[in-house]
Amino acid sequence: GQQLNQSPQSMFIQEGEDVSMNCTSSSIFNTWLWYKQDPGEGPVLLIALYKAGELTSNGRLTAQFGITRKDSFLNISASIPSDVGIYFCAGQLWGNNDMRFGAGTRLTVKP
Amino acid sequence: KAGVTQTPRYLIKTRGQQVTLSCSPISGHRSVSWYQQTPGQGLQFLFEYFSETQRNKGNFPGRFSGRQFSNSRSEMNVSTLELGDSALYLCASSSGQGRTGELFFGEGSRLTVL
Repeated sequence: GQQLNQSPQSMFIQEGEDVSMNCTSSSIFNTWLWYKQDPGEGPVLLIALYKAGELTSNGRLTAQFGITRKDSFLNISASIPSDVGIYFCAGQLWGNNDMRFGAGTRLTVKP
Repeated sequence: KAGVTQTPRYLIKTRGQQVTLSCSPISGHRSVSWYQQTPGQGLQFLFEYFSETQRNKGNFPGRFSGRQFSNSRSEMNVSTLELGDSALYLCASSSGQGRTGELFFGEGSRLTVL
């Protein structure tokens, strides 16, 4: 089962709105990553975070690695229709390629 | 460069049968990981191979096995299929060193067990 608690499970927003989702864990991770999955595709890496407190942007996406190493959030600004999909957080322990994934946040953007 | 290629994309099997799925990683990548994705359990790690050796293994029964060839291509096998094995099986490749969490996923093989 999942070790990461990702919320919200789903979001319905209007085009142009900002989006925020987060992931928490009872375990400490050395790496937090955010992936996006489109229908019929495999997940695609959006952002990878390697240091506690790190804040990283990728275009309209911004993600942060929590200070406690037990959480991370992803923000999407000015959403557009192609942002639709499922967003997954993932945590990884250093040197261990057994990554844990959150259950995903399904994002719907209404034009 | 070419992405991760998984075959077959779709397959239907019956209980008790076995299945073999194939994955060709990105050229130069030496690590291949396999994940099972289901609506109820999400993405769950099966195992990871690096340079033909299984380096990590998730909590799946022994019916799930894999291997990696010298050209880094990988196969996973599920024997004695059960209804609950119906899922999307995703293969992911990475360099296998350094930032190993940065995975490149294939489109997956969707297995239906009847």
